Amino acid sequence: EAGVAQSPRYKIIEKRQSVAFWCNPISGHATLYWYQQILGQGPKLLIQFQNNGVVDDSQLPKDRFSAERLKGVDSTLKIQPAKLEDSAVYLCASSFTRGVYEQYFGPGTRLTVT
Amino acid sequence: QQQVKQSPQSLIVQKGGISIINCAYENTAFDYFPWYQQFPGKGPALLIAIRPDVSEKKEGRFTISFNKSAKQFSLHIMDSQPGDSATYFCAAWDNDMRFGAGTRLTVKP
Repeated sequence: EAGVAQSPRYKIIEKRQSVAFWCNPISGHATLYWYQQILGQGPKLLIQFQNNGVVDDSQLPKDRFSAERLKGVDSTLKIQPAKLEDSAVYLCASSFTRGVYEQYFGPGTRLTVT
Repeated sequence: QQQVKQSPQSLIVQKGGISIINCAYENTAFDYFPWYQQFPGKGPALLIAIRPDVSEKKEGRFTISFNKSAKQFSLHIMDSQPGDSATYFCAAWDNDMRFGAGTRLTVKP
């Protein structure tokens, strides 16, 4: 079974630039999560999708972050404009459906904002 | 907002020793408590998990102890091996997953 795929693996941008991350979840998984993991901290949920609908985006800084999951499969997370404090690893995870199901994480995208 | 407090921040154990990581929570609505293992450059991977109606769960060398009244749970790694060196995160689920800050475990050969 193929795991969660993410790209790019690394990205370096200057502040005020924009950046986008892509995630392809495990086939058949209805729920997709984006997490932000700042160095030395645990992952923090940014947004949760169920199929192509947003379930929870309460911790997403909506003035600069946006995410979509068209057709209920792949997802894109965008930051525009980026700030220095956005430097982190952005993790995508998927699970069979909502609730207490194992979340499978991708390798993450390490973003450095200079 | 940290809802799951994890300690210690780092831990060094000799090969063959027992590694113990502790977590505490406040939200009594949490109903699922997983532990994740993360190696450098990789995403977290589920190691073991427990529901609050069980006080202990063991899988191989890994054991979760859960104290509902104290709102605490811990991970015990028996016979720790150098390959166990990684960062461990406790987490708690209540409609979304809340992670602790992580414990960096180093097992010395």
